[in-house]
Amino acid sequence: KQEVTQIPAALSVPEGENLVLNCSFTDSAIYNLQWFRQDPGKGLTSLLLIQSSQREQTSGRLNASLDKSSGRSTLYIAASQPGDSATYLCAVRGVAAGNKLTFGGGTRVLVKP
Amino acid sequence: DVKVTQSSRYLVKRTGEKVFLECVQDMDHENMFWYRQDPGLGLRLIYFSYDVKMKEKGDIPEGYSVSREKKERFSLILESASTNQTSMYLCASGTGDGYTFGSGTRLTVV
Repeated sequence: KQEVTQIPAALSVPEGENLVLNCSFTDSAIYNLQWFRQDPGKGLTSLLLIQSSQREQTSGRLNASLDKSSGRSTLYIAASQPGDSATYLCAVRGVAAGNKLTFGGGTRVLVKP
Repeated sequence: DVKVTQSSRYLVKRTGEKVFLECVQDMDHENMFWYRQDPGLGLRLIYFSYDVKMKEKGDIPEGYSVSREKKERFSLILESASTNQTSMYLCASGTGDGYTFGSGTRLTVV
């Protein structure tokens, strides 16, 4: 059964520092991996989707990498801002699970001004 | 952009009431999902649907049912609400190439 882990569970950085968020998964047979952001009391907002054939995806200050063979993805947020404070979740769509997603527990990020 | 709309942001219901949570998507997606999210437990899948009138149980279907009479609408039903169903409920839709979530419904059962 696919398991997705995000470590650390919480992270605090000063404004301007680059953020590095980790996601690991146990079964490398995946279709894709999606990163989401969640603000307190709100729904999930999709940030980036990486297909299994891709190594990385970029959108503005965000860059996500995927190493399928080692079961890892990393989300980089350059030059963090207080507005980046949120919980970040990764979700894997695995071959065994069909169209269902398996979520990590999330990393809660605080960017201090 | 895909829009997934959940009918209520906040709901307060009494124990034993029948509760309907509605979700509508505007992109003709076949796949729709209902999750609940609780502190320390993460996102847990309640039910999902791959097509009209089709439904499958997720990880925690007990106490819930669903309805999908039209492709764009997926309803979650709490047959007899209980206090342990107080939670944030999230609806999602998509193809296999990415999912979009609604803004969530915070349900409190008193």
